[in-house]
Amino acid sequence: DTGVSQDPRHKITKRGQNVTFRCDPISEHNRLYWYRQTLGQGPEFLTYFQNEAQLEKSRLLSDRFSAERPKGSFSTLEIQRTEQGDSAMYLCASSSTMADYGYTFGSGTRLTVV
Amino acid sequence: GDSVTQMEGPVTLSEEAFLTINCTYTATGYPSLFWYVQYPGEGLQLLLKATKADDKGSNKGFEATYRKETTSFHLEKGSVQVSDSAVYFCALSYSSASKIIFGSGTRLSIRP
Repeated sequence: DTGVSQDPRHKITKRGQNVTFRCDPISEHNRLYWYRQTLGQGPEFLTYFQNEAQLEKSRLLSDRFSAERPKGSFSTLEIQRTEQGDSAMYLCASSSTMADYGYTFGSGTRLTVV
Repeated sequence: GDSVTQMEGPVTLSEEAFLTINCTYTATGYPSLFWYVQYPGEGLQLLLKATKADDKGSNKGFEATYRKETTSFHLEKGSVQVSDSAVYFCALSYSSASKIIFGSGTRLSIRP
């Protein structure tokens, strides 16, 4: 297992376009988390899945953001009508019900909206 | 609401110097506390954790003690190495299923 994979690593898009990011968690992990990290700040929680169920969403996740985890495996995070303020690093993490705080983070997708 | 405050960086030290990175928290309950490290180009990694008051987390020569009376979780290392250069995040969480609340991070640079 190569850990948590995120794709793409970098994405540059024009304002108003839609973007989609993918996260592949560690295969035996049933929990998956999305965080957003802006420059000079710590990661901020966006949303969390247990298997395919989305159990918690942050107020940061506006209606332009949607996340899915079909079949409880990989997850996608889509941002519609991107704005310059969406520029950030989007981090995915996964963990197992059986692990105590055993989060594994991916390297992130850096989004730049121009 | 819950929050984590840590000292601003960057912190620059010479190799073998003593390191302290301050972290304080505000919590409505009794969270577990963590230090995460982010090396250049890599994902966040858990460095150490403490789950209750007076617990000491330790790993790779780093230590931090959960101080409920001062709501602090300062990170220390007796002798830093160049390879310790990274960004360090203090964080809290209430359970292994819930979100992690991170501080803003402290960039540490170690001179040879």
